Amino acid sequence: KAGVTQTPRYLIKTRGQQVTLSCSPISGHRSVSWYQQTPGQGLQFLFEYFSETQRNKGNFPGRFSGRQFSNSRSEMNVSTLELGDSALYLCASSWDFNGYTFGSGTRLTVV
Amino acid sequence: QQQVKQSPQSLIVQKGGISIINCAYENTAFDYFPWYQQFPGKGPALLIAIRPDVSEKKEGRFTISFNKSAKQFSLHIMDSQPGDSATYFCAASMGSGAGSYQLTFGKGTKLSVIP
Repeated sequence: KAGVTQTPRYLIKTRGQQVTLSCSPISGHRSVSWYQQTPGQGLQFLFEYFSETQRNKGNFPGRFSGRQFSNSRSEMNVSTLELGDSALYLCASSWDFNGYTFGSGTRLTVV
Repeated sequence: QQQVKQSPQSLIVQKGGISIINCAYENTAFDYFPWYQQFPGKGPALLIAIRPDVSEKKEGRFTISFNKSAKQFSLHIMDSQPGDSATYFCAASMGSGAGSYQLTFGKGTKLSVIP
């Protein structure tokens, strides 16, 4: 059974640019969440989606946005990138919340 | 308060020893407490989880102890092996009652098991 797939694995962007990250959940999973992981702040919640609806949003600026498609695939977008946005962005999926399964993440570096 | 406080930040244990990582929380609405294991270059992987109606849960060498009155829970790794060397995160969630399964994570514990 395929796990959570995140693309791309690595990304380098320049300040001021925007970026879109993609997540394909485990087949049958309808809940998708996104987390940002940095050495200083640890794992912080970004968004949670269920059946194309955003169920919850973390304490991040409006530059961070996301969406979920009818096939449960999800994307997150960060506009006007700042150096502080450099992080590992993790996507996780769940069927009935017997625990989230995380992908390996997208490592974003902003220069 | 949404915080989950985890200690220690780092832990060195000899092979065969017991690794103990502790977490404390403030929000009594939390009702799901998972532990995740993360290796470098990988995402966190669910190790074991507990709900507040149980004081202890064991899966193989991994045991969660839960103290509801003290609002604390801990992970015990028995017979620690070098392959257990990883970063461990505790987390908490309010579950379906809050309409969201958002996980609040501790800051992590880097475990090194030396031969």
